[in-house]
Amino acid sequence: DAMVIQNPRYQVTQFGKPVTLSCSQTLNHNVMYWYQQKSSQAPKLLFHYYDKDFNNEADTPDNFQSRRPNTSFCFLDIRSPGLGDAAMYLCATSTPGGSYNEQFFGPGTRLTVL
Amino acid sequence: QQQVKQSPQSLIVQKGGISIINCAYENTAFDYFPWYQQFPGKGPALLIAIRPDVSEKKEGRFTISFNKSAKQFSLHIMDSQPGDSATYFCAASLGETSGSRLTFGEGTQLTVNP
Repeated sequence: DAMVIQNPRYQVTQFGKPVTLSCSQTLNHNVMYWYQQKSSQAPKLLFHYYDKDFNNEADTPDNFQSRRPNTSFCFLDIRSPGLGDAAMYLCATSTPGGSYNEQFFGPGTRLTVL
Repeated sequence: QQQVKQSPQSLIVQKGGISIINCAYENTAFDYFPWYQQFPGKGPALLIAIRPDVSEKKEGRFTISFNKSAKQFSLHIMDSQPGDSATYFCAASLGETSGSRLTFGEGTQLTVNP
């Protein structure tokens, strides 16, 4: 089945230790998104890629970076995780079709910062 | 302009009852209104969506009612089941040429008692 895959599902890191989260997709969608979802809150868009074009949200901290080496893969790098960065990180994809509106989410990576 | 307000924050319904969740938006340029269902530890999954040229859309037990003039839309879950217990997010987006930005409501924690 075509899908959005996130690895790892659970990640524990130490305060200040860089961490990378991975997303891959078999949908061949040209847009990939990263969201941060804190406990009992709505997902918040961090940034997205349209093909290789990077689109950052204005309020996304510089501590968060992303890479998209090819259509299938996208990475979220947190350079110096703080306790406030503990959250679920969700990857999503979309494709033009009729529009880009419909987004398909992966299962998420739960990040714990010690 | 980009906010989507959702109510209630939590909802308890008896099995077989009707669950109703409401959302209001501000930006009249939004052109896509999805509802996402999220179980604990999982990514959001698209449940049903509507475009503003339609006043109602029904898929099985799930119905979206859309009131363009009032800038409101709602999700009705008929014959609610314990398996429907989850968090529901409404959202709104614009289909842009570089992808779309989903603006989520705050979420509703639905509990369906057996």
